[in-house]
Amino acid sequence: DVVLTQTPVSLLISLGGQASISCRSSQSLVHSNGNTYLHWYLQKPGQSPQLLIYQVSNRFSGIPDRFSGSGSGTDFTLKISRVEPEDLGVYYCLQRTHNPDTFGAGTKLELK
Amino acid sequence: QVKLLQSGAALVKPGASVKMSCKASGYTFTDYWVSWVKQSHGKSLEWIGEIYPNSGATNFNEKFKGKATLTVDKSTSTAYMELSRLTSEDSAIYYCTRWDSWGQGVMVTVSS
Repeated sequence: DVVLTQTPVSLLISLGGQASISCRSSQSLVHSNGNTYLHWYLQKPGQSPQLLIYQVSNRFSGIPDRFSGSGSGTDFTLKISRVEPEDLGVYYCLQRTHNPDTFGAGTKLELK
Repeated sequence: QVKLLQSGAALVKPGASVKMSCKASGYTFTDYWVSWVKQSHGKSLEWIGEIYPNSGATNFNEKFKGKATLTVDKSTSTAYMELSRLTSEDSAIYYCTRWDSWGQGVMVTVSS
């Protein structure tokens, strides 16, 4: 199975600050069709995960442009600028290129 | 809007089975795969498998083959997952998801 390694495990960020989360894959996430199925989710406390970014860099409907995704191959990054209180929670990367779909272990974003 | 409404929490005895539901609304149920995801207490997410309501075709994570059975009822736009031969390792929250939308989760507790 593809292993997604997320770093850091936790982040302490001040309001208005910037956060960066890395997701590294044990193998390339480029599908044979040329697409890269690496997505980012946020799970707020007590809630279900919500989609932030799909296919590396596309913001889902309603997601503010403070969230941005980048990367290729095996290395991917989620950046959150101007952190707000509603951004707190655990961020997960998910790959759907290879069967089975696998998630990273998560990065917990907390306020300083 | 897309909604996935899951059934309520379940307390089940070891060795028994549990069947949970996921009622879809706000979109054409038969057009989208529905996946199921496990989240053990305080831990990351695991993809269990998926079903295509139009045909009933399924794909599973090898880890959950023999543990999970996925079905749908097209007449009610409802997906079901049954977990069999339950042990304490199956205690978790189970989500149904269309990947861009998630159910609220079902907490399953396996205890005698």
